[in-house]
Amino acid sequence: AQSVTQPDIHITVSEGASLELRCNYSYGATPYLFWYVQSPGQGLQLLLKYFSGDTLVQGIKGFEAEFKRSQSSFNLRKPSVHWSDAAEYFCAVGAMVTGGGNKLTFGTGTQLKVEL
Amino acid sequence: KAGVTQTPRYLIKTRGQQVTLSCSPISGHRSVSWYQQTPGQGLQFLFEYFSETQRNKGNFPGRFSGRQFSNSRSEMNVSTLELGDSALYLCASSLEGGGTQYFGPGTRLTVL
Repeated sequence: AQSVTQPDIHITVSEGASLELRCNYSYGATPYLFWYVQSPGQGLQLLLKYFSGDTLVQGIKGFEAEFKRSQSSFNLRKPSVHWSDAAEYFCAVGAMVTGGGNKLTFGTGTQLKVEL
Repeated sequence: KAGVTQTPRYLIKTRGQQVTLSCSPISGHRSVSWYQQTPGQGLQFLFEYFSETQRNKGNFPGRFSGRQFSNSRSEMNVSTLELGDSALYLCASSLEGGGTQYFGPGTRLTVL
């Protein structure tokens, strides 16, 4: 069964500083990987996704993530954080299931706080 | 295109009651998945519907059920509510179910 680990529950960074959120996954085949962001009381917004090809993927809001198969990682990065980036970030792996379709398995999330 | 919509946004029920939540997917999307989000358990997959059929199911009791209509809209029903069912219920749609899932704003269910 697939699993996702986000080792950092809380991260605090200063506005303008760089950011890296860690994500490690466990899956037997080539995974579909996603990063979502959730603001308080809201649903999940897709930041970026990896299906295949270039291991460095660009997303919205200036975020990028790098897929490293050897390390089973898919870390999210941003060179300069803005106060509006404060939110909870979820890494997810999409596993194909019998009968078609897929289901997402999420990590426990990383709460990002941005200090002004 | 309009995004995924969920109604109602907030619900308060008492133990033992039942509740129905609704989800309208992005136009053209045929797969709808449901997830439960709680502080203790995080985000957990409930089930997925595709072409009016439940295609995948998570590890939830039979009190949780759903259906999908011919226009791809989906409903989720929880019978005999328990306090532990208090959660944010999120619906996600995708084109065929094997790709990117786009989430709605969720329905916040509180069970008293």
